[in-house]
Amino acid sequence: KQEVTQIPAALSVPEGENLVLNCSFTDSAIYNLQWFRQDPGKGLTSLLLIQSSQREQTSGRLNASLDKSSGRSTLYIAASQPGDSATYLCAVRPETGANNLFFGTGTRLTVIP
Amino acid sequence: DTAVSQTPKYLVTQMGNDKSIKCEQNLGHDTMYWYKQDSKKFLKIMFSYNNKELIINETVPNRFSPKSPDKAHLNLHINSLELGDSAVYFCASSQGAGNMNTEAFFGQGTRLTVV
Repeated sequence: KQEVTQIPAALSVPEGENLVLNCSFTDSAIYNLQWFRQDPGKGLTSLLLIQSSQREQTSGRLNASLDKSSGRSTLYIAASQPGDSATYLCAVRPETGANNLFFGTGTRLTVIP
Repeated sequence: DTAVSQTPKYLVTQMGNDKSIKCEQNLGHDTMYWYKQDSKKFLKIMFSYNNKELIINETVPNRFSPKSPDKAHLNLHINSLELGDSAVYFCASSQGAGNMNTEAFFGQGTRLTVV
């Protein structure tokens, strides 16, 4: 069964730093991978979707990469801002049983002004 | 213009009661989901519907019954609520498997507290 792990569980950085969040998954037979952010008490906001055939996706200061064969994805945030403080979740959609998303455990990011 | 909307946002109720959570999406998606987020913030799928048909039904007590009157709506009815049902429930939607873009969009969540 697919298991998704995110490291670190929590991260604090000073404003302006670049940072990397990690996501690993045990079964490489995925359809795509999606990164979300969740603010406290709020829903999930989709950040980036990477198809299994893609290596990376970019949106503004965010860059997500995917190495499907090794079961890894990273989310790179450039020039972090206090407004980036949130929990970041990755989720994989399997090739079989594709009407499902398996979520990671999340990384809680705090950007200190 | 909310893409996926759930009501209510907060629900406090006594043990043994029956309650419903409603979900609607205006994205034209054909797949909808219910997820449960536990106290440790872990998200796990409960149900998945594609074109009003049940696709995934994880190990969920049969006190939980989803209903999809049309492909834009997926409601969750819970009978005989228990303390352990307290959690945040998220509705989501996406295009179904087989489509190129299956980006999932989530509602704002319903925080259920059973007392």
